[in-house]
Amino acid sequence: AQKITQTQPGMFVQEKEAVTLDCTYDTSDQSYGLFWYKQPSSGEMIFLIYQGSYDEQNATEGRYSLNFQKARKSANLVISASQLGDSAMYFCACLGTGRRALTFGSGTRLQVQP
Amino acid sequence: DTAVSQTPKYLVTQMGNDKSIKCEQNLGHDTMYWYKQDSKKFLKIMFSYNNKELIINETVPNRFSPKSPDKAHLNLHINSLELGDSAVYFCASSQGAGLLAKNIQYFGAGTRLSVL
Repeated sequence: AQKITQTQPGMFVQEKEAVTLDCTYDTSDQSYGLFWYKQPSSGEMIFLIYQGSYDEQNATEGRYSLNFQKARKSANLVISASQLGDSAMYFCACLGTGRRALTFGSGTRLQVQP
Repeated sequence: DTAVSQTPKYLVTQMGNDKSIKCEQNLGHDTMYWYKQDSKKFLKIMFSYNNKELIINETVPNRFSPKSPDKAHLNLHINSLELGDSAVYFCASSQGAGLLAKNIQYFGAGTRLSVL
């Protein structure tokens, strides 16, 4: 079984500042992947970044980085230099070898203020 | 070209009707999914097909029936629609099933279903 917990229902950040969105996970799988998706107000789900459980380095994709702390079972998303267009819902998700579909957290709504 | 496209984007219908949502992917992926996002934004898997074979069938009422005519298409048919079926339905696809390297799932834009 897998469970994803996102404890921040909403976050505010000033434009150009960095922000961290929290995600903790619980899985019985030895090997798993952690994903972050962005859902803007237009509704589509956009893949942002992936971290494998055996990856030694934290994943980075442009302004997105994933702060992966395996012992703490956390996979926080860091967005650097926030832009107004980053305002959206952000979902953390997990995929394990024993399960073939993503398990999502409840999401965090990020609002970037000018 | 949109990688994962679903139609229609909006669907408004009366209780008791039957409706279908279509999904097509042009990524050459082997696996397709249907997820449901409820009014609280919670996303949950409904079905998954790998090479036209059903591999995930979560606890979903049997009024919901997926159909995969080929690996590029996965349609969702819903019979006898109920008020509680109102949600956003997302189609997604991935290269394979399960954790294969980074088996990223790419989503369509969603279909907002409103049952009146």
